[in-house]
Amino acid sequence: EPEVTQTPSHQVTQMGQEVILRCVPISNHLYFYWYRQILGQKVEFLVSFYNNEISEKSEIFDDQFSVERPDGSNFTLKIRSTKLEDSAMYFCASGGQLNTEAFFGQGTRLTVV
Amino acid sequence: ELKVEQNPLFLSMQEGKNYTIYCNYSTTSDRLYWYRQDPGKSLESLFVLLSNGAVKQEGRLMASLDTKARLSTLHITAAVHDLSATYFCAVDEGGGADGLTFGKGTHLIIQP
Repeated sequence: EPEVTQTPSHQVTQMGQEVILRCVPISNHLYFYWYRQILGQKVEFLVSFYNNEISEKSEIFDDQFSVERPDGSNFTLKIRSTKLEDSAMYFCASGGQLNTEAFFGQGTRLTVV
Repeated sequence: ELKVEQNPLFLSMQEGKNYTIYCNYSTTSDRLYWYRQDPGKSLESLFVLLSNGAVKQEGRLMASLDTKARLSTLHITAAVHDLSATYFCAVDEGGGADGLTFGKGTHLIIQP
């Protein structure tokens, strides 16, 4: 069964460093998303991406964040100058059509120390 | 700003019992999703509800949507231990490729 895959599963980085989280969405999907979940809290929307551009972004997704689909298969989230409060589980999701469910990857646990 | 409220946030129940989780939201949306999350794991899609009056059932779980009341319910029938997880409802407010707004989740523990 097709699935969304994310790498790495766990990333530890020092405060101020840049990290890139990688995702391979389901191959025929057109809509891509990043969400984050701080430990023990709810899932928060960061950004959606369609037709090679950002479709919507939340207040969380400020200039520190950027997304890219560099090669038609990978979908990346870059976090510049990480802060302690960026520590969270980051989920990538993809959807095939509008108004259908998004399928989530296993997540990348980011720990900023 | 869209608000999604789940109730209860924590539920401990015995096997064999029935219970309902409630999800209220603050906007006129007719697209609501239920997800399950096991500890340390990803989100598994359970139900997609796309119209007023939609009802979907899978095994011991049944979800419904009342867009006029801005309410969705997830009903558990004759609970079994394997259903222990955190259940999230999520609302899609917009018409395009918008993100979902999640509730805080209901942490469900089913005891033998």
